[in-house]
Amino acid sequence: GDSVTQMEGPVTLSEEAFLTINCTYTATGYPSLFWYVQYPGEGLQLLLKATKADDKGSNKGFEATYRKETTSFHLEKGSVQVSDSAVYFCALSDNPGSARQLTFGSGTQLTVLP
Amino acid sequence: EADIYQTPRYLVIGTGKKITLECSQTMGHDKMYWYQQDPGMELHLIHYSYGVNSTEKGDLSSESTVSRIRTEHFPLTLESARPSHTSQYLCASGTPHYGYTFGSGTRLTVV
Repeated sequence: GDSVTQMEGPVTLSEEAFLTINCTYTATGYPSLFWYVQYPGEGLQLLLKATKADDKGSNKGFEATYRKETTSFHLEKGSVQVSDSAVYFCALSDNPGSARQLTFGSGTQLTVLP
Repeated sequence: EADIYQTPRYLVIGTGKKITLECSQTMGHDKMYWYQQDPGMELHLIHYSYGVNSTEKGDLSSESTVSRIRTEHFPLTLESARPSHTSQYLCASGTPHYGYTFGSGTRLTVV
């Protein structure tokens, strides 16, 4: 079945450091891929997505490129801020036309120190 | 402004009480979902609906029940709350292809 494997946390960085959170997936079809962010005490928000191979999703300085050859969708940001402290979830939707639901990774806690 | 609303945000209730967690969306989405989120952050799908009068159980077995009488409303009910039900409950709507919109969640504590 479909699965998403995320880099284990927690991740702690200093402000302005470079961020990478690894995400790899297993899917039988041609999935759409997503990153969600959950700030403390809130629900999840869609951060970015990519629907086909080599697409790059970007938002708020975050980027992720859909790599079919390595089945990966790593999240990157060049310079993190304290306000980026949150939990980040990678997710996929296999066969987007007929998928029942999204498959989520287990989440990665990011803390950015001033 | 939120397009999907969950109430209450926080609820502390005694064992054995019946509770209903409310979820409403204004986006006209047919598909809606309930997730349970444990302290380790992982999300577990407990119920979903494809539209009015359609409800299905998710991947994680739950003693809760849901109903979908109107497109915009997808409440979750626990007939007899227990401490093991203590968790955060997140409601979402949307489609797997385009992504979900989540509510802010209800943090339930059963004492």
